[in-house]
Amino acid sequence: EIVMTQSPATLSVSPGERATLSCRASQSVSSNLAWYQQKPGQAPRLLIYGASTRATGIPARFSGSGSGTEFTLTINSLQSEDFAIYYCQQYDNWPSFGQGTKLEIK
Amino acid sequence: QVQLVQSGAEVKKPGASVKVSCKASGYTFTNYGISWMRQAPGQGLEWMGWISASAGYTNYAQKLQGRVTMTTDASTSTAYMELRSLRSDDTAVYYCARAPPYGANSEPFDYWGQGTLVTVSS
Repeated sequence: EIVMTQSPATLSVSPGERATLSCRASQSVSSNLAWYQQKPGQAPRLLIYGASTRATGIPARFSGSGSGTEFTLTINSLQSEDFAIYYCQQYDNWPSFGQGTKLEIK
Repeated sequence: QVQLVQSGAEVKKPGASVKVSCKASGYTFTNYGISWMRQAPGQGLEWMGWISASAGYTNYAQKLQGRVTMTTDASTSTAYMELRSLRSDDTAVYYCARAPPYGANSEPFDYWGQGTLVTVSS
């Protein structure tokens, strides 16, 4: 099983600032990496796939980078609706998710 | 528009079984698969398994082998997940998601159901 590790567990950022979230895979997953956003009481929403491709309807302030074992999700100019939990997921092998990063308002 | 609509919340006793449904619309059901995930209270997401909607092939997470069965009914575009011998640590929100037709890997999960809360309590 590929273990996905996200850091930090909680990130406090002010609205309008930039947030940088990290995800590490226990072995290479190539670019088969997705990011999801989850708000309380809602299902996860796909933000990024292929490590860097935004899903349909996702604003340009969301960007992803990385390949192999190290990945980053960057959110520029944080809006109030961006404060949520973010999960990375690899789909190079049987799917596995990171434990999540909670993005909270500073 | 693509939609996955799941059945309602369930309360079960330890040792019982639960069957959750996921009705798909807005796309050709048999051109994709369905994966199931669960999320325990305050915890992260756990992949449970995948089923091909056309051929019925399945792959289950190793820790659930023997307790979980996934099926589909192409005539109603509905997927089902049955979990047996329920324990208190099976209490979670269960999600279905659209998946690739040929395996759970190689593509992300682009559409998700709204989730079904299953509570296991004596």
